[in-house]
Amino acid sequence: DQQVKQNSPSLSVQEGRISILNCDYTNSMFDYFLWYKKYPAEGPTFLISISSIKDKNEDGRFTVFLNKSAKHLSLHIVPSQPGDSAVYFCAAKGSARQLTFGSGTQLTVLP
Amino acid sequence: DTGVSQNPRHKITKRGQNVTFRCDPISEHNRLYWYRQTLGQGPEFLTYFQNEAQLEKSRLLSDRFSAERPKGSFSTLEIQRTEQGDSAMYLCASSLQTATHSYGYTFGSGTRLTVV
Repeated sequence: DQQVKQNSPSLSVQEGRISILNCDYTNSMFDYFLWYKKYPAEGPTFLISISSIKDKNEDGRFTVFLNKSAKHLSLHIVPSQPGDSAVYFCAAKGSARQLTFGSGTQLTVLP
Repeated sequence: DTGVSQNPRHKITKRGQNVTFRCDPISEHNRLYWYRQTLGQGPEFLTYFQNEAQLEKSRLLSDRFSAERPKGSFSTLEIQRTEQGDSAMYLCASSLQTATHSYGYTFGSGTRLTVV
């Protein structure tokens, strides 16, 4: 049972445009959500997070939106840059200490 | 302290052999986690330590897997009698948990295991 789903394995966006990465979850006990970015041959790097008491969190070019009723969150990157090309993982946390990850979305930003 | 360090970066082993990986967390972090990532999937939780105590183990962690964190510092993950299905990237992460705040994970670069 996949509790965190990223249904788009890949996304291509033109440099300067907005990238929108989506994530759905099924466990209503999740109360904290994170996005990680991963380059090849490196471990995941924390990008941005959001608590379930909020519906938006912004950090520079990155904004995460949370829709609890739809059990959906999204990551917006604007403007997108070629250096943003990486695999993006959505992760969720509830009362358990560990994170549950989605399968990732490969973002390619075209120059 | 330059982050979470994992050794070796790559390991190729024959089926049936034992392998051991090491993780050195960020020194002030009291929590240490092991995850496994296979191709096309996100990291899957294996186990975690609070200081030297192993507090939780996933069902993914079969009897052939054992993890230790002596003295609450570095950790080792051993896989006995390796199988081809054990081929994956093994990721270690650490974090700081205080009485009032839980800080985010920092991941290492991982150990890529190939069982031939």
